Amino acid sequence: EPEVTQTPSHQVTQMGQEVILRCVPISNHLYFYWYRQILGQKVEFLVSFYNNEISEKSEIFDDQFSVERPDGSNFTLKIRSTKLEDSAMYFCASSVVRDQPQHFGDGTRLSIL
Amino acid sequence: RKEVEQDPGPFNVPEGATVAFNCTYSNSASQSFFWYRQDCRKEPKLLMSVYSSGNEDGRFTAQLNRASQYISLLIRDSKLSDSATYLCVVSGMNYGGSQGNLIFGKGTKLSVKP
Repeated sequence: EPEVTQTPSHQVTQMGQEVILRCVPISNHLYFYWYRQILGQKVEFLVSFYNNEISEKSEIFDDQFSVERPDGSNFTLKIRSTKLEDSAMYFCASSVVRDQPQHFGDGTRLSIL
Repeated sequence: RKEVEQDPGPFNVPEGATVAFNCTYSNSASQSFFWYRQDCRKEPKLLMSVYSSGNEDGRFTAQLNRASQYISLLIRDSKLSDSATYLCVVSGMNYGGSQGNLIFGKGTKLSVKP
């Protein structure tokens, strides 16, 4: 069964450093998403991406965040200057069309020191 | 009012028990509804979509009541492998009326004991 893959599985970064999280969505899916989950809290939406542009973003997704689809397969989330509160699990998801079920990757655990 | 509210857990049940989870949502314009399960420190995995007519998948039955903005999940003959956190998930709506982002409840933890 096709799946969303994410790398790395765990990223440890010093506060203030830039970090890039990578995702390969399912190949025939058109919509891509990033979510995060702080330990012990609920999953929160960050951003959705379609047709090479952001279609929606949440209040969490401020100027420190950016997304990109640099080639035909990868979808990346960049955090420009990380803060301690950015420590969380980051999940990438994709769906065939907008209101269909989203399939999640197994996440990147980001630890900011 | 929280966007998606779920029963507080945990639910501790013996194998073979029937267990029900409930969920309410605040945005009456939401169009898509799902149950996901999440194992500890793992990704959410789709369990089933939820339709107004109700739907069943083996031991799992989901119901949606749009008038009450209420969603339920029933698990019959629970197995040890059903132990997980069950997430009620609703599609978001922006001002343009489109849907995309998912809004998650905090989840209800289920522990099935031998």
